[in-house]
Amino acid sequence: NAGVTQTPKFQVLKTGQSMTLQCAQDMNHEYMSWYRQDPGMGLRLIHYSVGAGITDQGEVPNGYNVSRSTTEDFPLRLLSAAPSQTSVYFCASSYWQGGYGYTFGSGTRLTVV
Amino acid sequence: AQKVTQAQTEISVVEKEDVTLDCVYETRDTTYYLFWYKQPPSGELVFLIRRNSFDEQNEISGRYSWNFQKSTSSFNFTITASQVVDSAVYFCALSEAVGSQGNLIFGKGTKLSVKP
Repeated sequence: NAGVTQTPKFQVLKTGQSMTLQCAQDMNHEYMSWYRQDPGMGLRLIHYSVGAGITDQGEVPNGYNVSRSTTEDFPLRLLSAAPSQTSVYFCASSYWQGGYGYTFGSGTRLTVV
Repeated sequence: AQKVTQAQTEISVVEKEDVTLDCVYETRDTTYYLFWYKQPPSGELVFLIRRNSFDEQNEISGRYSWNFQKSTSSFNFTITASQVVDSAVYFCALSEAVGSQGNLIFGKGTKLSVKP
């Protein structure tokens, strides 16, 4: 089925460990983004990309790295996980920024202990 | 700066009651888009509606209706004859053509509980 695929769905990390959250879309969308959702905070933008090779920071980028080598994939890297990064992470894609609706992945629930 | 405010943190109603979820936004752009998303207990985000800043027509879809008023910078969402399946967190979001570079800015959400 066409859409945005996030893996893994759940992950527990120890403080200081690194990991990559995967996001892939098969809709040929140029725009992709990562959000984190924390209780009472809504969803906040971490990083976004308007096309392969182009990325930019959102509202809460610290502690996260991204790259966009292909149109389809937009992985989010945690280099040294901290308990403050415990959250639910959503990846989204769209044909272009704004305007049209975004397609969201099903989310990754990350716990850092 | 752009901002979306959902003042109601939690709302509890009894089934068949009507309920309105409030959304107030701030933007300097003349071209922008407003969205509502539903997040049921299962956790996924479900797209409900998108509205552009040039279209102030109210919209009705079944039991759902939306009232967009630029004069008060509001985009409120009403559920008529609520049902238990409407229990979810509802997010209002704003996307600006220029200011937010098209990225979605979310409100903090309103948790709706519909009791049988």
